[in-house]
Amino acid sequence: AQSVTQPDIHITVSEGASLELRCNYSYGATPYLFWYVQSPGQGLQLLLKYFSGDTLVQGIKGFEAEFKRSQSSFNLRKPSVHWSDAAEYFCAVGDETSYDKVIFGPGTSLSVIP
Amino acid sequence: ETGVTQSPTHLIKTRGQQVTLRCSSQSGHNTVSWYQQALGQGPQFIFQYYREEENGRGNFPPRFSGLQFPNYSSELNVNALELDDSALYLCASSAPGLAGGYEQYFGPGTRLTVT
Repeated sequence: AQSVTQPDIHITVSEGASLELRCNYSYGATPYLFWYVQSPGQGLQLLLKYFSGDTLVQGIKGFEAEFKRSQSSFNLRKPSVHWSDAAEYFCAVGDETSYDKVIFGPGTSLSVIP
Repeated sequence: ETGVTQSPTHLIKTRGQQVTLRCSSQSGHNTVSWYQQALGQGPQFIFQYYREEENGRGNFPPRFSGLQFPNYSSELNVNALELDDSALYLCASSAPGLAGGYEQYFGPGTRLTVT
C-alpha cells in the first residue's frame, strides 16, 4: 500500500532563511506526488505536483520540489521564507489504483520568526 | 480561490445523531472526493464519486455514505455519530488536467464537533 512519511512534525525558521521540508513515500508503480499547504482554518491549496518528466518541479509562491526515485523522497524547498509561509504543509501520493485518490502524510507545521 | 464551496462551515451534533455535509464542485469537474482530517493529522480519504457513482472507498465504515448529483454537487452523510467523528471534512473536486494528470481542488471544509 502507498504511504507517506514526513519526519519533521514542526519546523521553525527565520524570515529570509531557506527552507526544506522532507517527504518520503512508498509506492507500487509510478508515483504521483503532491505538496499542499493549509493555513489555519482553511482548506488545502496545491503548491506543486510531480507526475513525470523533469524531477525538479516548480510551484506557486516560490516553492520547488525534487523527486529522487533512489531515495523515495520528494522534498519541498524555498530559498527565502516569508512570514506568510507559516502554515501546515502536507506531502501526498496518488494511490496505485487511481492517482486521484490521494494519500496524505501527517504534515509539517512551519513557524516563521520575524 | 478554487470555486469549491462547502456548507455548513461549522456544525455541532450529539453522539448517535445523523449529519449531512454538502459540497459544490468547481464548474466542469465530474469527480468529487471526501476526506476526514482529524485535529493535528493529515486528511484521510473517505470515498470518491465519479459521474454519480462511488469510485473507490477508504477505510471507513458503511455509516459514512455519499451522493453525487447531476450538477456535480455532492453530500457526505454520517449516521450514528461517534465522538471520534469530530473532524474537519474536506471535499475536493477534480477533472483531467492539461498535462493528463488530475488536480484536486479543495473546499474550505466543514468543522464537525460531536458531543
